[in-house]
Amino acid sequence: RKEVEQDPGPFNVPEGATVAFNCTYSNSASQSFFWYRQDCRKEPKLLMSVYSSGNEDGRFTAQLNRASQYISLLIRDSKLSDSATYLCVVSSGAGSYQLTFGKGTKLSVIP
Amino acid sequence: NAGVTQTPKFRILKIGQSMTLQCTQDMNHNYMYWYRQDPGMGLKLIYYSVGAGITDKGEVPNGYNVSRSTTEDFPLRLELAAPSQTSVYFCASSSPPYRASSYEQYFGPGTRLTVT
Repeated sequence: RKEVEQDPGPFNVPEGATVAFNCTYSNSASQSFFWYRQDCRKEPKLLMSVYSSGNEDGRFTAQLNRASQYISLLIRDSKLSDSATYLCVVSSGAGSYQLTFGKGTKLSVIP
Repeated sequence: NAGVTQTPKFRILKIGQSMTLQCTQDMNHNYMYWYRQDPGMGLKLIYYSVGAGITDKGEVPNGYNVSRSTTEDFPLRLELAAPSQTSVYFCASSSPPYRASSYEQYFGPGTRLTVT
């Protein structure tokens, strides 16, 4: 079974903290990797794609280790507005437009 | 652009009833998807479509049917509703794979369905 595994959390962190989320995937043929964000009772939205070289977008850094089939997301200087569930998402296979979603890691940033 | 729209937002069905969840996108995306999300679970793919007239089963298709007569619309039909179909249903769309942004899926706001 092809799966995406995440720590469900919740992660409760104070404002300004750095928090890291980890994700492992089982399908070695997966080529594309993403982090989506889902606010409570809302639809998922793309946060960032994840590239082999690692990539950064402001306070967010994503990294990929293909050999270990491991993806991470680092959030620096957490804001209250970062409170959400973060979904690790991978393509279902080489060239596939179908996505497999992890169950998500819930983050609560506390004042 | 409105993006992906879904109706209704909420619905309560009795066991055995049928209904159609509507999904429309105005981004001229070829690819469309239906997911369900149960509490504490990841999104599960029900059906998808790569273009008008073409549909295929996803991971959890039983109890559902779809059609794709136009690029814009991708309705999901529930026949003989069962309590196990209580869930939040999301429709999504994306560009074809040959475009750089193809893998980003744009989601609608969801339909919360309860079957009692």
